[in-house]
Amino acid sequence: KAGVTQTPRYLIKTRGQQVTLSCSPISGHRSVSWYQQTPGQGLQFLFEYFSETQRNKGNFPGRFSGRQFSNSRSEMNVSTLELGDSALYLCASKPELADNEQFFGPGTRLTVL
Amino acid sequence: GEDVEQSLFLSVREGDSSVINCTYTDSSSTYLYWYKQEPGAGLQLLTYIFSNMDMKQDQRLTVLLNKKDKHLSLRIADTQTGDSAIYFCAGDTDKLIFGTGTRLQVFP
Repeated sequence: KAGVTQTPRYLIKTRGQQVTLSCSPISGHRSVSWYQQTPGQGLQFLFEYFSETQRNKGNFPGRFSGRQFSNSRSEMNVSTLELGDSALYLCASKPELADNEQFFGPGTRLTVL
Repeated sequence: GEDVEQSLFLSVREGDSSVINCTYTDSSSTYLYWYKQEPGAGLQLLTYIFSNMDMKQDQRLTVLLNKKDKHLSLRIADTQTGDSAIYFCAGDTDKLIFGTGTRLQVFP
């Protein structure tokens, strides 16, 4: 079974631009979560989607948004990019909301210049 | 909110045991996890322990949980160079809360 895939793997943007990252969960997994990893703040939860609905949200500004499609694929969007948004964005999936094991993708490395 | 702390760095000789420690403030997690991250890669779930257990052994990995002291540890027996990575502990309240990560370096 294929693992969690994230596209693109690397991205370079400039301040003020917007970006969309994509995550395809493991087949059959319906829950998708997003995390931001930076050297200064570590790993921080962004949001979780299940059945096309946002179920939980971390403490990030409204510039960070996401959505989930009927096939469970998820996208996250960051508008008006800031230098501090440079990070590794990780996506994780699990079969159901109540399941405890999350499986992570390789991440998308976003650099904001 | 939850605060999860780990020591930043650990260096061990190949073949020795490694012990990575983690302390947390919120005891409401149902499960506590250990993840491994290799350079340029995502997170790999190594093992997890249910919050009402004290110990779990999984091949070379032993997890110890001291709920009274809110302390979690991961012991890796017979540490190999391939174990060099960053290790994160995490608790799950309504989301995963990760520790700061411990960089394990294994030298020959």
